[in-house]
Amino acid sequence: DSGVTQTPKHLITATGQRVTLRCSPRSGDLSVYWYQQSLDQGLQFLIQYYNGEERAKGNILERFSAQQFPDLHSELNLSSLELGDSALYFCASSLHPGSDADTQYFGPGTRLTVL
Amino acid sequence: GEDVEQSLFLSVREGDSSVINCTYTDSSSTYLYWYKQEPGAGLQLLTYIFSNMDMKQDQRLTVLLNKKDKHLSLRIADTQTGDSAIYFCAENTSGTYKYIFGTGTRLKVLA
Repeated sequence: DSGVTQTPKHLITATGQRVTLRCSPRSGDLSVYWYQQSLDQGLQFLIQYYNGEERAKGNILERFSAQQFPDLHSELNLSSLELGDSALYFCASSLHPGSDADTQYFGPGTRLTVL
Repeated sequence: GEDVEQSLFLSVREGDSSVINCTYTDSSSTYLYWYKQEPGAGLQLLTYIFSNMDMKQDQRLTVLLNKKDKHLSLRIADTQTGDSAIYFCAENTSGTYKYIFGTGTRLKVLA
């Protein structure tokens, strides 16, 4: 158990809908990362927050947004869903991003299926 | 470019050694990580090495780093069926927030 929690574990929805994925980092970690893992694209970095502020952006679509709240949990919002958004979405947390030997700890993931 | 490359598949017999390879691109000071992903689970950190080191050993795991060729390998001694998983290497340039993951190598251990 990494200490990172994600809810829900599974989510099935229809095209055009909007969903929210939730992540709670390990106790004490200030930074949250979001990744998308699909069969054909591997693990893609989406976005990173540190202590409530956005710090780095990867291949995140404009239909997707995220935020980190004062209690450090984070939410990833996916809207106007398409079939191709079906994937595993992982959250990871770390203590000191950008410092030496900062390591990321991953949650169990949310499996999103868009029908 | 910012690619971290790995071979997609590796198959070994139980008890043999497995060697999973990775090439990275960043030339500045870099941390390099190995993660293991079992079916239906998240990524579990196995080990990491800084780019000024050549080797790191942790029980059955040995990480070798060839800085000149930007080549990283993970050797698993006495491979067991429980080692069957996808193994990802990742790089993070010291002082930045960005991690780049490889495509993952699916290791299959045959009994």
